[in-house]
Amino acid sequence: GAGVSQSPSNKVTEKGKDVELRCDPISGHTALYWYRQSLGQGLEFLIYFQGNSAPDKSGLPSDRFSAERTGGSVSTLTIQRTQQEDSAVYLCASSLALDRAGHGYTFGSGTRLTVV
Amino acid sequence: KNQVEQSPQSLIILEGKNCTLQCNYTVSPFSNLRWYKQDTGRGPVSLTIMTFSENTKSNGRYTATLDADTKQSSLHITASQLSDSASYICVVSAGYGGSQGNLIFGKGTKLSVKP
Repeated sequence: GAGVSQSPSNKVTEKGKDVELRCDPISGHTALYWYRQSLGQGLEFLIYFQGNSAPDKSGLPSDRFSAERTGGSVSTLTIQRTQQEDSAVYLCASSLALDRAGHGYTFGSGTRLTVV
Repeated sequence: KNQVEQSPQSLIILEGKNCTLQCNYTVSPFSNLRWYKQDTGRGPVSLTIMTFSENTKSNGRYTATLDADTKQSSLHITASQLSDSASYICVVSAGYGGSQGNLIFGKGTKLSVKP
């Protein structure tokens, strides 16, 4: 696609429910990143995928968070047993190759998650 | 501890005026510094990127400066327009390998341009 597409754009869920957030990266981008942006805070790295390599999960805040990337394209971020502190905007970015310096990042518009 | 601090937290200016946003960082080793613009409800979009040896870089009405000695950067917006209303995020990349945690994001400055 022309840009990074994320869905849904907004999600309201009850505490304790599971949610799935979807990211469709730019076609041909081999690297995909998930970030979390809480109100009044900077972006917080969660996880990244690069090609067929094992993902870097070092930013996931707890074992309730997991992500997968099928076929090297679409990625799903799953949050189990959601808590109110999970409320945030979840941003996905992709780049042509592993881009630690952020030169070639393209961000999606994010999913705003509200846990009530 | 690697940190990026931005000031002011928020700013209101009149259309047509200039403004300067500040970014101070304590990131080591330093690789590069980037300014992003994030419109409400959108993802961040890159404005400029500067490496250690660059002091100034412009992108239209946006001019970023970098002082690697004092570890300070500024983003100057000239002749502001209503469309400049957004959050401006300073991001510093630490120059070591490993996880994506080496991108350190500031909390942003929320700029509002009023007619």
